[in-house]
Amino acid sequence: NAGVMQNPRHLVRRRGQEARLRCSPMKGHSHVYWYRQLPEEGLKFMVYLQKENIIDESGMPKERFSAEFPKEGPSILRIQQVVRGDSAAYFCASSPGGAYQPQHFGDGTRLSIL
Amino acid sequence: GENVEQHPSTLSVQEGDSAVIKCTYSDSASNYFPWYKQELGKGPQLIIDIRSNVGEKKDQRIAVTLNKTAKHFSLHITETQPEDSAVYFCAAQDPGTYKYIFGTGTRLKVLA
Repeated sequence: NAGVMQNPRHLVRRRGQEARLRCSPMKGHSHVYWYRQLPEEGLKFMVYLQKENIIDESGMPKERFSAEFPKEGPSILRIQQVVRGDSAAYFCASSPGGAYQPQHFGDGTRLSIL
Repeated sequence: GENVEQHPSTLSVQEGDSAVIKCTYSDSASNYFPWYKQELGKGPQLIIDIRSNVGEKKDQRIAVTLNKTAKHFSLHITETQPEDSAVYFCAAQDPGTYKYIFGTGTRLKVLA
């Protein structure tokens, strides 16, 4: 009964390095969403993807951030040249798509920038 | 775009009492409202949801009510237990998209 799997659970990077966060959706789900959560705050939408397509990236910073969901393999959120402000918990959710289909979340990747 | 406000930010109740968390939304076209429970170090877990064509939905000790006219929805937890202690988030699906707009969360503490 695998849910949404995210790895790594914790990731430490130095300023200027690259961070790669992975997300495998629930079985049968073809829609993936990434959210960012700062300490003591709610989740903020970043990007919504279907297989091989970015559907909505309105919440993702234009520079340094990118996301993909290839035909085979997990979805990847990539942050280049990380800065201290990128420190946050990054959550992935998946759904089967369609109206009124709830999004199911993984346990997140906690990114710390030294 | 859609905006969701959530109150209170913290809530302490005695075990066995009821807890109510309230949210308001800004876009009258929003039509789907999920609630999530987040425990420390974990991801948000869906606990209940409601569609705009329904005024109330109940699942054991948890219920959600929706007032479309006033654009607010509430989570009700009855007979609270210590394991209900967590942070609860309301959300509204942004109309025309699949993304959720989340409230800022309510930290619920159930005192034994």
